[in-house]
Amino acid sequence: GAVVSQHPSWVICKSGTSVKIECRSLDFQATTMFWYRQFPKQSLMLMATSNEGSKATYEQGVEKDKFLINHASLTLSTLTVTSAHPEDSSFYICSATEAGVTYNSPLHFGNGTRLTVT
Amino acid sequence: AQTVTQSQPEMSVQEAETVTLSCTYDTSESDYYLFWYKQPPSRQMILVIRQEAYKQQNATENRFSVNFQKAAKSFSLKISDSQLGDAAMYFCAYRSSMYSGGGADGLTFGKGTHLIIQP
Repeated sequence: GAVVSQHPSWVICKSGTSVKIECRSLDFQATTMFWYRQFPKQSLMLMATSNEGSKATYEQGVEKDKFLINHASLTLSTLTVTSAHPEDSSFYICSATEAGVTYNSPLHFGNGTRLTVT
Repeated sequence: AQTVTQSQPEMSVQEAETVTLSCTYDTSESDYYLFWYKQPPSRQMILVIRQEAYKQQNATENRFSVNFQKAAKSFSLKISDSQLGDAAMYFCAYRSSMYSGGGADGLTFGKGTHLIIQP
């Protein structure tokens, strides 16, 4: 089945530094990838939609200058948390749909990245 | 904007028994998709079952089935013969249809229900 690989699985960084998270579709092409954020014991909140070759679409309240998204190829999207602060500590999950597949197809999720900012 | 509500923060069921998790949603769209995802402690999101709004027949996947009531905007999940491995967070999710004009939309999730299986 379709596999989405997310790297790293966990990362600890110091306040003020930037962290890049990668989301790769291993065996399919993904024109669209989605980035979610999940706080402990809470639901997944959509942060942004990443489209290959174009600018990402951010949900209301998500700072696009803080959460930089790049989708340079059909198999890779990256999320960079810039000037990270402790309140950015969270679980980040990406998901992707196969190019050309209909909307009722499930999103394939990565394993997530646990970010801790000290 | 669509909203998804799961009113049961936690549910407990005896092993081998049946449990139903509730989900309601609010939308003005007529065509959409509904999903149930399972998130075990590993936090990997696992698709349990999906339903197209235009289909009247309730979806079934082995021990998992849904009761989809479009007029009531209700989408409950029934787990039969509960097993220890079913213990997880369960999220109900909504996705717009491409025909709703929203483009490639992501999922809108409910707050989740923590399912506990009692041995």
